[in-house]
This record gives sequence, C-alpha cells and structure tokens, in this order.
Amino acid sequence: NAGVTQTPKFQVLKTGQSMTLQCAQDMNHNSMYWYRQDPGMGLRLIYYSASEGTTDKGEVPNGYNVSRLNKREFSLRLESAAPSQTSVYFCASNLGAPGANVLTFGAGSRLTVL
Amino acid sequence: LAKTTQPISMDSYEGQEVNITCSHNNIATNDYITWYQQFPSQGPRFIIQGYKTKVTNEVASLFIPADRKSSTLSLPRVSLSDTAVYYCLVGDAGNTPLVFGKGTRLSVIA
Repeated sequence: NAGVTQTPKFQVLKTGQSMTLQCAQDMNHNSMYWYRQDPGMGLRLIYYSASEGTTDKGEVPNGYNVSRLNKREFSLRLESAAPSQTSVYFCASNLGAPGANVLTFGAGSRLTVL
Repeated sequence: LAKTTQPISMDSYEGQEVNITCSHNNIATNDYITWYQQFPSQGPRFIIQGYKTKVTNEVASLFIPADRKSSTLSLPRVSLSDTAVYYCLVGDAGNTPLVFGKGTRLSVIA
C-alpha cells in the first residue's frame, strides 16, 4: 500500500506563477486535507474535503483553491504564487467516520516561491 | 473546534520517562484525542488515540482524566530517536475540520 502520495516533492516557482500540488490516497478514505507547515512552525489547515464532491475552507485558505477530483484525489492549486506561500505542504486523509480521526500523511511537497 | 495547548518544548535524558500534557478545555462529547509524532522533513505519524481513561500500545500510553479536559502522552524510557515534535489533536472525524495546535518539541539528550 502506498498510503498517501504527493507530487511533486520539490518545486521552485517565481512570484506570480501558478501550480497544482497533487495528492492521491489508496486507502478508500472519505476525508482528505491539505496542511501547510512553515519552518519551525506547526501545521495549519488550508482546505479539507469531508467526502467526494465537497470542499471547505480551513484556517488559511486565502491564495489557494482545491479540487476533490474523485474519492482518491485531492489537488491544491496556487493561482498566483507569493513568497509568503513558501512552505512544506502536507496532504492527509482519514476514514471520515465519527471518532476515526487517525490521519495518514503524505511525505510532503516543499515549495519555494522566489 | 477543540483548541489545544501544549508546552512548546521539553528536554529529557535518555532512559527517562517523558510525560507531555495537552490541555483541551472545550472538548466535545464526540471528540477523540489523538497524538502524532513528527520528525524533521517528514509528515506526522500516528502514535496513539483515546477517548477516556487509559490507553496503552507498544510505544506509548495515553492518560485521560474523567473530565477529558486534558490528556497526557507518556513515553517510557526515551531514546535519542524519540527527539521529535509531538502534536495533540482533538476532534471527531465525523465533524471535520481537524486543526492542530503548535506541538511540543521534545529533545532527548544522551
């Protein structure tokens, strides 16, 4: 089992460029999440999808868009990247059933915006 | 959303037992308490989860008092490889979103 797979692992962008971070899980999980982690800081929730076809804002959604393409895939898009979006991005998923909030995380995507 | 508060950092010597306490005063009836461990440049990984009283697995114990307003992660006989950031997460996956606190940076010293 691959678990949660994120691509790309590393990316360098110039200010104003756009890109999409991809996330896929093979655990038949209902819920998926995108977090960002700045150097030396904790995890902050950007967007989440409780189930296929639904998405909701988290703590820091500004500057991002998401798409829950199907049950397996949840992408995060930066339309016009800014240096403040330099961070490590983690995708996570869980079953989404009451109480079952054990998150499985991907390895992360390290984004640098120049 | 249950907000959590943890000590920012802790130091311990190898072989000692480490207890990290998390405060979650506004925990809801359906919320579970889950602890994660994160090493540098890696995603967090699950350690232990509980609802009330005590839970023990092969790596840790979790103590939850009757009022559930706090919880304590206990790591027995830590080693250098236990140096990491530990997060307490309180929530119910049936009522997302799941928001992390700032975590506790544990440094184990030889």
